[in-house]
Amino acid sequence: DGGITQSPKYLFRKEGQNVTLSCEQNLNHDAMYWYRQDPGQGLRLIYYSQIVNDFQKGDIAEGYSVSREKKESFPLTVTSAQKNPTAFYLCASSSEGFYGYTFGSGTRLTVV
Amino acid sequence: GIQVEQSPPDLILQEGANSTLRCNFSDSVNNLQWFHQNPWGQLINLFYIPSGTKQNGRLSATTVATERYSLLYISSSQTTDSGVYFCAGILTGGGNKLTFGTGTQLKVEL
Repeated sequence: DGGITQSPKYLFRKEGQNVTLSCEQNLNHDAMYWYRQDPGQGLRLIYYSQIVNDFQKGDIAEGYSVSREKKESFPLTVTSAQKNPTAFYLCASSSEGFYGYTFGSGTRLTVV
Repeated sequence: GIQVEQSPPDLILQEGANSTLRCNFSDSVNNLQWFHQNPWGQLINLFYIPSGTKQNGRLSATTVATERYSLLYISSSQTTDSGVYFCAGILTGGGNKLTFGTGTQLKVEL
């Protein structure tokens, strides 16, 4: 089945550590996105990529980094510069013609 | 960017009741989507509805782009409909970037 796979589902990070969240899609979609969701809130865009080897900052990119070396993969690194990283992170993709987004099942990141 | 406002913020229904959720957006949008987020966090695409009306089982949606609003109708609600409903839109000329509303938290009780 085609879809988006995010891993891990749960992730714990110590203060000062960088962690990387994985997002892989087999939908042959060109565009991929990372969103952050805080409790009781909507989704806010962190980074997005519309083509391999290119990506743009979203509304809350500070403290995050991404890469897009393959069409299928769009990993997100939460760096130590992100002061409040505890949140639910969702990855999504869309096709060039845009008939809607498909989301992964998310990663819950907690700072311990 | 565009602002997306949803109402009501919270809603409690008895099983079998009908409801209407509203989404207003501040500027013109090319596309509008409705999502359901289940209690485990999974976002499911309900409708891609830039304009007009669509129906899928007990759910239907209507978007009037010229008046900048969209409505999601839930009929004969079931406990499995519980969760958060989000609408999201793309600003004209904004690529494929979706801006989300803050959602409507729905609880359906027996």
